[in-house]
Amino acid sequence: AQKITQTQPGMFVQEKEAVTLDCTYDTSDPSYGLFWYKQPSSGEMIFLIYQGSYDQQNATEGRYSLNFQKARKSANLVISASQLGDSAMYFCAMRRTGANNLFFGTGTRLTVIP
Amino acid sequence: GAVVSQHPSWVICKSGTSVKIECRSLDFQATTMFWYRQFPKQSLMLMATSNEGSKATYEQGVEKDKFLINHASLTLSTLTVTSAHPEDSSFYICSAGGLAADTQYFGPGTRLTVL
Repeated sequence: AQKITQTQPGMFVQEKEAVTLDCTYDTSDPSYGLFWYKQPSSGEMIFLIYQGSYDQQNATEGRYSLNFQKARKSANLVISASQLGDSAMYFCAMRRTGANNLFFGTGTRLTVIP
Repeated sequence: GAVVSQHPSWVICKSGTSVKIECRSLDFQATTMFWYRQFPKQSLMLMATSNEGSKATYEQGVEKDKFLINHASLTLSTLTVTSAHPEDSSFYICSAGGLAADTQYFGPGTRLTVL
C-alpha cells in the first residue's frame, strides 16, 4: 500500500526567501511517480512538478525544484524566491507506474509574508 | 497545457434530491478520469476511476449506488450523487490523464452543499 506523509500542516516564509515543504512516502513498488500540486483558496489543483522514481536528476520547473532522496523516501518541494501568490495549500502525491490514480498527502498550508 | 472543466462550479440542493456533476476534457481525449472528494481542510480522497465505455471502479467504502459514474465519451464523465444528504456536502474534483503519461490534470472542482 502507498502512503504519503506531509508533517508540516502550516509553513510561513518571508517574501523573496526560499522554502522547503517536506514529503515522505512509503511504497513497496519499484517504480512510481511523485507529484506536487498547489491548491489556492479557489480550490483548483495546479500541477507543479513531477519526479519519476528512476529519474537520475532532481526535477526542476522554474522556481520549483524537487529534492528527491530515494533512499530516504523523501521528495521535498523547494520554492525559491517566494511570492505572495505562492500562498496556498500544497499537496504531495504518488502514483504507481502502470496505475493512474494518485494518493495524496494531507497537505501543507504555505503563507508568504510581505 | 490540457484543460479540464467541471460544471457546475457550485450547487446547493435539498436533502433527498440528486445532483449531477460533469467533467470534461476540453482539448484532449481521456479514456480514464478520476473522481476525488475533499472535505474541508482535508486531503483529496479518490472515490472512483471512470473508464470510457465501461463500468467505473470504486474505491473501498464508496457506495456505487449512491455515486453513479458514467463515462459515455472520451471527453465527458459524469458523477451523480443520488438522494443527497448533508453528509455528502463536500468538494468534488475530477481529473484526467494528461497528454504526457506523467501528468494528471484536474478540473476546478464542484462545491456541493446539501441542506
